[in-house]
Amino acid sequence: KNEVEQSPQNLTAQEGEFITINCSYSVGISALHWLQQHPGGGIVSLFMLSSGKKKHGRLIATINIQEKHSSLHITASHPRDSAVYICAAHSGAGSYQLTFGKGTKLSVIP
Amino acid sequence: DADVTQTPRNRITKTGKRIMLECSQTKGHDRMYWYRQDPGLGLRLIYYSFDVKDINKGEISDGYSVSRQAQAKFSLSLESAIPNQTALYFCATSEGGFNYGYTFGSGTRLTVV
Repeated sequence: KNEVEQSPQNLTAQEGEFITINCSYSVGISALHWLQQHPGGGIVSLFMLSSGKKKHGRLIATINIQEKHSSLHITASHPRDSAVYICAAHSGAGSYQLTFGKGTKLSVIP
Repeated sequence: DADVTQTPRNRITKTGKRIMLECSQTKGHDRMYWYRQDPGLGLRLIYYSFDVKDINKGEISDGYSVSRQAQAKFSLSLESAIPNQTALYFCATSEGGFNYGYTFGSGTRLTVV
C-alpha cells in the first residue's frame, strides 16, 4: 500500500514569503495531484503531474520520480492562499486508486 | 453551475435515521467516487463506480450503500446513521483510463447526533 506523507502539517507565513510544502510517497506512482481546500470545505485541483514541473500563476509544482518526492511552492504568498493543501498519489498505470496525504494547513498573515 | 454538485451541503440527523447524500455531474465522466474526510486523516474511499452497472467497495464501505442511477448521478446512503459517521463527505469524478484528472464536489457536512 502506498503511504503518502506531507510536511509540514501546519505552516504560518508572513505575506510575501516564499512557501514550500513537501510530499513523499512510498511506492512508484503514475501521477500525483496537488489539491487546495479552503475553509468551508470544497476541494479544488491545482495540479496533476507525472514528471518535471508545472506552473500556474504564483504556484509551482515539481516532482522527482526517482526520489519519490513532490513539492508545491507558492511565491509572493498572500492571505487568500490560506487553505489546506493536500497531495494525493495514483499508484500504478491506469489506477483509479488515490492515496491522500493528511494535508498541510497554511496560514498567511498580512 | 458547478461541474460536480452535492446536496445537501449541510445536514444534521439523528442516530438510527436513514439519510441519502446526492451527487450529480456535468463532466460526462464515467468514474464516480465517494470519499469521507475526518479531521487529522486523509480522505478515504467509501465506494466507487466505473459505469452505471459497476459498483465497488472502497476501504471503508461498512455502514454505507450507493446507487448509480445514471452516468451523471451517484448517491450515497447511510442506512442507519451513527455518530461516528459524522464527517465531511466528498463526491468526485474522473475520466478514467490514463487520464488521471479528478473533479471534486463542494462537500456535504454531515452531523449525526
